[in-house]
Amino acid sequence: GENVEQHPSTLSVQEGDSAVIKCTYSDSASNYFPWYKQELGKGPQLIIDIRSNVGEKKDQRIAVTLNKTAKHFSLHITETQPEDSAVYFCAASIDTGGFKTIFGAGTRLFVKA
Amino acid sequence: GAVVSQHPSWVICKSGTSVKIECRSLDFQATTMFWYRQFPKQSLMLMATSNEGSKATYEQGVEKDKFLINHASLTLSTLTVTSAHPEDSSFYICRPRPTSGQETQYFGPGTRLLVL
Repeated sequence: GENVEQHPSTLSVQEGDSAVIKCTYSDSASNYFPWYKQELGKGPQLIIDIRSNVGEKKDQRIAVTLNKTAKHFSLHITETQPEDSAVYFCAASIDTGGFKTIFGAGTRLFVKA
Repeated sequence: GAVVSQHPSWVICKSGTSVKIECRSLDFQATTMFWYRQFPKQSLMLMATSNEGSKATYEQGVEKDKFLINHASLTLSTLTVTSAHPEDSSFYICRPRPTSGQETQYFGPGTRLLVL
């Protein structure tokens, strides 16, 4: 079946450094790629998303890149802060409506002060 | 403020009892509700998709008689875990899809269920 692979599963960085999380999807029909941040004991929160007609999107310290040919997309967090510590999930979907959304396994990010 | 609420936020129950989890969309109407289950250190797994006023569609491997979903209004959906067992202990999260066609971007805060 369709799947999304996410790497690494755990990432530890020093405060101020950058963090990069990578995902690969299999369904070529996917055209919407959201990223979620989940803090302990809470529901996921959308932090950034990208559609297939765009190669890169940036929002302050967070950026996402998409290579549709290679079916890769990545999350980049610059100038990391301790409050960035959380689990991050990538996802791939055929649209923004939530149907057929496939989630990655998650990356646990630790930002050391 | 929160746009999606879940109640209760956590619950502990004895094996064999039933637990009802409510999910409300506070700022918008939702024709469709997605219900997910998340085990510790794992990703979100879709359990079922419900539409207001009709029966839910369950994912493969999810027992519809065990996980009863009611989507009686455009702002409220409930998930009832019937005859709960320890293996049902998990984090249950709802995700309402706005009727307006806006992006489905909000998840509920989750309900942690512990079955003893």
